[in-house]
Amino acid sequence: DAGVTQSPTHLIKTRGQQVTLRCSPKSGHDTVSWYQQALGQGPQFIFQYYEEEERQRGNFPDRFSGHQFPNYSSELNVNALLLGDSALYLCASRRTSNNEKLFFGSGTQLSVL
Amino acid sequence: TQLLEQSPQFLSIQEGENLTVYCNSSSVFSSLQWYRQEPGEGPVLLVTVVTGGEVKKLKRLTFQFGDARKDSSLHITAAQPGDTGLYLCAGARAASYDKVIFGPGTSLSVIP
Repeated sequence: DAGVTQSPTHLIKTRGQQVTLRCSPKSGHDTVSWYQQALGQGPQFIFQYYEEEERQRGNFPDRFSGHQFPNYSSELNVNALLLGDSALYLCASRRTSNNEKLFFGSGTQLSVL
Repeated sequence: TQLLEQSPQFLSIQEGENLTVYCNSSSVFSSLQWYRQEPGEGPVLLVTVVTGGEVKKLKRLTFQFGDARKDSSLHITAAQPGDTGLYLCAGARAASYDKVIFGPGTSLSVIP
């Protein structure tokens, strides 16, 4: 049983570019959340998707957007990249029906030059 | 404003020593969680504490939730090199289990 899988594992972009990160949740999970973890800090909640809609959002600008597909997989899009967007982006999934714990993927390391 | 604070920020100890990591909050949470994160990996949940004063044990790890549900501690007995990692405490509020609020973490290094 595969856990949460994310792609790509590493990515290098330049300022002003756009990026799309992908996440496949653990089998049986229907909720996907995205977190940003800057170097030396704890993860920060970006947003959560359930039933293909954004349900909750953290304190991130509109440059951060997402999508959830019918198969529960998800994408995180970041427009107009800034140097400060360099971070590890983590995807987490959960089965909503029984308040299961969050399972995290290994993340995508994004570097903005 | 940091809702959750952790101390110490860094800890380097010899194998076999005991240690305690603290997590303090300015808010009350429905539950507090402890995660361990290793380099290149995502956080892995160790335990969730829900009731004020609750104590949970996981082998050599002992977790305690403060009576007021605003602070928590993690005690490791006889630390081993395999305990090395970033220990994160996180708070969750009822009906918002996906929006977990993480502390900055304690980086633990256990030297053989």
